Amino acid sequence: AQSVTQLDSHVSVSEGTPVLLRCNYSSSYSPSLFWYVQHPNKGLQLLLKYTSAATLVKGINGFEAEFKKSETSFHLTKPSAHMSDAAEYFCVVSESWNNDMRFGAGTRLTVKP
Amino acid sequence: NAGVMQNPRHLVRRRGQEARLRCSPMKGHSHVYWYRQLPEEGLKFMVYLQKENIIDESGMPKERFSAEFPKEGPSILRIQQVVRGDSAAYFCASSPGTEDPYNEQFFGPGTRLTVL
Repeated sequence: AQSVTQLDSHVSVSEGTPVLLRCNYSSSYSPSLFWYVQHPNKGLQLLLKYTSAATLVKGINGFEAEFKKSETSFHLTKPSAHMSDAAEYFCVVSESWNNDMRFGAGTRLTVKP
Repeated sequence: NAGVMQNPRHLVRRRGQEARLRCSPMKGHSHVYWYRQLPEEGLKFMVYLQKENIIDESGMPKERFSAEFPKEGPSILRIQQVVRGDSAAYFCASSPGTEDPYNEQFFGPGTRLTVL
């Protein structure tokens, strides 16, 4: 069965500096991978997804993620953090054949002025 | 403590009929979220409700879709006059509604809607 590990429960950056949120996955099949963001008191919002097309995926709000099969990673990055990026981020893996989603534990991103 | 329950698990409707999807949150949870998952797509947020209140419906289609979470009973997602494009898996999640703005969401098993 598939699983996902988010390597940091909390990440703190200064506004204007790069963001890196790390995610490693385990899957027996061709996985689909997603990043979701949860802002305070909001539902989950899809940031970006990888479904076996280009390995570098661009999402909303300037985020992108690179699928690296050799490293079983799907890290989320952004060149320059904005205060509005402060939120909880979830990495999710789904094996295409069964659509069963597995969520990571989440990474809380704090952005300091 | 039972988890989030959704019923039915599978629902088949013909074009033009109504679909009603039910979600019973976990015991003690007062917040409910509805998401739609299209084939090979991620979850798309639809609506966020607390008891008797719609908090955020920014993801709801403007027509034919409605949601409620009454004081008693499950949350209902209602789709009127269904079309083939409504075929999807609909997931409900609940959270305890504490003061923590990042309430952990617990997901139900989903309802798979097929429109013929």
